Amino acid sequence: AQKITQTQPGMFVQEKEAVTLDCTYDTSDPSYGLFWYKQPSSGEMIFLIYQGSYDQQNATEGRYSLNFQKARKSANLVISASQLGDSAMYFCAMRGSNDYKLSFGAGTTVTVRA
Amino acid sequence: EPEVTQTPSHQVTQMGQEVILRCVPISNHLYFYWYRQILGQKVEFLVSFYNNEISEKSEIFDDQFSVERPDGSNFTLKIRSTKLEDSAMYFCASSEFPTGKLETQYFGPGTRLLVL
Repeated sequence: AQKITQTQPGMFVQEKEAVTLDCTYDTSDPSYGLFWYKQPSSGEMIFLIYQGSYDQQNATEGRYSLNFQKARKSANLVISASQLGDSAMYFCAMRGSNDYKLSFGAGTTVTVRA
Repeated sequence: EPEVTQTPSHQVTQMGQEVILRCVPISNHLYFYWYRQILGQKVEFLVSFYNNEISEKSEIFDDQFSVERPDGSNFTLKIRSTKLEDSAMYFCASSEFPTGKLETQYFGPGTRLLVL
């Protein structure tokens, strides 16, 4: 079974600054995928970034980067140059090698201040 | 850009009634999923579907739930006799493959179900 832990229920960040959202996971699977999704107040789930467990490099997608530390079982999301539109709930999720399903963390609410 | 669509966006129903939630996955995707999110809680997996069969389901997905791909484009979730605790946002998702580089699951906008 996979377990995802997001310990930060809420964070405030100043516009144009960077913010790091923590995510740790627990799995015994040798191969897995890690994901971050954004959920604005409107409710939809927007895919942000993916990291495969065997990927040699940390994933980046525009202003999003994933700080993947396999030995520590952490997959922190870094949002650079925060914008007001980044205010949302952010979910870390993972899929184990024998799973089809995604297991989600509890989420972190980010509020960007002007 | 291709996207997952869901209808209706909102549904209000009486306890005990049947509801059908509809989804159109991304056209070249082969794997389909339903998740739900009770208000203020984490997203929970319900079921995955591939090649006209359920490939995985959670303990939430009991006999009250069923899924179907009635034609080449739609993917439906039926709740036979709704309970108050079924009130949630229901998300459909799809992916090209279940694992590897193309495993990313893309979510639809959700259907907000309220059972009275």
